Amino acid sequence: EVQVVESGGGLVKPGGSLRLSCVASGFTFNIYTMNWVRQAPGKGLEWVSSISSSGNYVYYADSVEGRFTISRDTAKKSLYLQMNSLRADDTAVYYCARDPGYYGSETYYHYFGMDVWGQGTTVTVSS
Amino acid sequence: EIVMTQSPATLSVSPGERVTLSCRASQSVNTNLAWYHQKPGQAPRVLIYGASSRATGIPARFSGSGSGTEFTLTISSMQSEDFGVYYCQHYHDWPRVRFGQGTRLEI
Repeated sequence: EVQVVESGGGLVKPGGSLRLSCVASGFTFNIYTMNWVRQAPGKGLEWVSSISSSGNYVYYADSVEGRFTISRDTAKKSLYLQMNSLRADDTAVYYCARDPGYYGSETYYHYFGMDVWGQGTTVTVSS
Repeated sequence: EIVMTQSPATLSVSPGERVTLSCRASQSVNTNLAWYHQKPGQAPRVLIYGASSRATGIPARFSGSGSGTEFTLTISSMQSEDFGVYYCQHYHDWPRVRFGQGTRLEI
């Protein structure tokens, strides 16, 4: 079965740190771009970060740039999100999501949406 | 930054009804537009990409249209499992994708 499973969420004080993990199974992890998407309580979806299949290219939303670090470990088929200097507005369910797209040419990326999502892990930042 | 605006925020519908949801981009995203459905307590599920292509396994009652700044998701005959929140997402600046605020379909 193709799936991703997140873990590592919890309660942390403002200014604290947390590391989220996402373990993939049922597919060839190292050929996919992977993402973190979050959802604050009762709110909509917010893209947080992406990492290329090679791990060489990483991207962040402005709201987390400089505080969060995305990484991946091919051998462990795992995606990570290191979150530092956490703030109350980082409180959310964090989802790991697969991007099955590919480059058809040097500049054109075929995108099919994020097709595999985990169940999410909850991060609560509160004193 | 391209902002996505969905309307209406909430829509009351009945099973069997035809439903049309709207999504507007603050500037053109061509057809770089996807739609997702999220049921309470569950992760989102991709329905449509490329503004009008159905994702794998998505029933034919879901259809998408539009280009540039105006997009529509249509459910031809509302089923009980279709209730929940629908999000549009542009990927014009991939991988920095951005979601709309969502439209909630309720009974």
